[in-house]
Amino acid sequence: GAGVSQSPRYKVAKRGQDVALRCDPISGHVSLFWYQQALGQGPEFLTYFQNEAQLDKSGLPSDRFFAERPEGSVSTLKIQRTQQEDSAVYLCASSLAGDHGYTFGSGTRLTVV
Amino acid sequence: GQNIDQPTEMTATEGAIVQINCTYQTSGFNGLFWYQQHAGEAPTFLSYNVLDGLEEKGRFSSFLSRSKGYSYLLLKELQMKDSASYLCAEKIKAAGNKLTFGGGTRVLVKP
Repeated sequence: GAGVSQSPRYKVAKRGQDVALRCDPISGHVSLFWYQQALGQGPEFLTYFQNEAQLDKSGLPSDRFFAERPEGSVSTLKIQRTQQEDSAVYLCASSLAGDHGYTFGSGTRLTVV
Repeated sequence: GQNIDQPTEMTATEGAIVQINCTYQTSGFNGLFWYQQHAGEAPTFLSYNVLDGLEEKGRFSSFLSRSKGYSYLLLKELQMKDSASYLCAEKIKAAGNKLTFGGGTRVLVKP
């Protein structure tokens, strides 16, 4: 596609509910990143894929967070048993070579009530 | 983000110049990026510096000093639409391709 597409745009979850956030990167982009952005803060790294391989998941805050990219294209970030502190914007970005920055999607704003 | 410092907020007048400073970790440095982010929108790429010096792109310029661990983003001839957050981000060799972001500088342009 022309850009990085994320869905849903907004998600309200009750505490304890599981959620799945989708990212559709730019076609042909090898690298895919997930970031978490709290209000008024900069994005914080969560995890990184190169094709289908998850090369770095050091930023995932707990084992409730899980990401996959089974065919090296679309990626899903899953959060189990959501808690209020999970409320944030989740940004996905993709990159061809990684040398000149990423293209970000518009993000999914997750609100846990 | 850890190790990256930038001011939280700056205010400037339309038509003026604003300089946003950023200091970062020098160990393993592998590139410095600036992004613009309007409220509720995706960050968009502005500039990339890996060598010392000034890179100019229209009204926006970015400077890097690797020995000092210092960069700045210069916005000239400010327009109202430049009101946004400006994110400084570093790539570190040991960290692969990931970028580590600062907390962002919110710039407010007043008429």
